[in-house]
Amino acid sequence: DADVTQTPRNRITKTGKRIMLECSQTKGHDRMYWYRQDPGLGLQLIYYSFDVKDINKGEISDGYSVSRQAQAKFSLSLESAIPNQTALYFCATSIRGRKSEAFFGQGTRLTVV
Amino acid sequence: GEDVEQSLFLSVREGDSSVINCTYTDSSSTYLYWYKQEPGAGLQLLTYIFSNMDMKQDQRLTVLLNKKDKHLSLRIADTQTGDSAIYFCAESVIGAGTALIFGKGTTLSVSS
Repeated sequence: DADVTQTPRNRITKTGKRIMLECSQTKGHDRMYWYRQDPGLGLQLIYYSFDVKDINKGEISDGYSVSRQAQAKFSLSLESAIPNQTALYFCATSIRGRKSEAFFGQGTRLTVV
Repeated sequence: GEDVEQSLFLSVREGDSSVINCTYTDSSSTYLYWYKQEPGAGLQLLTYIFSNMDMKQDQRLTVLLNKKDKHLSLRIADTQTGDSAIYFCAESVIGAGTALIFGKGTTLSVSS
């Protein structure tokens, strides 16, 4: 089983709909992240959380919100999806420490039509 | 703000060496990383280097770090078709709470 699991793996939604992407981890890491990948733009940090009560905006948080329901769960919501939010979304985890190697989920491909 | 720059594409022949370059801006970065993304998959850590090192070698991989120029490179010796992937350079930035900041990725294409 994957250590970092994202659901769903693929989703097509309509403009204006609310959608939630979920991430759960079994690695016991305290830090969790949401990134978005667009072709030619690499990965951009949306939100990150260092523990359940510590949530921080990343480079591109507008239009997104997050919830850290437990140490192992970190969900990303699009309150009112728009087509330019079509992208590949990755959840990642890391453990406290300067090395902060990140472990990634398999990604969620979201299409907003 | 923090920025990590990479060239977008590299094409090599099987058996040749590949060199992927990266420049970064945050001098406070303590670790610098190379991640590999194969088609349809998430990112996996390939190797990393601590900022007080100049070079790190791991089998076919050699990482060179020039702190003065803020330049990082990844050399893959004897490149194989299985090395075809997107390679991301990343730095952990103190200002972002050590969250990783990634470059745009270099697509390596290996032809036989």
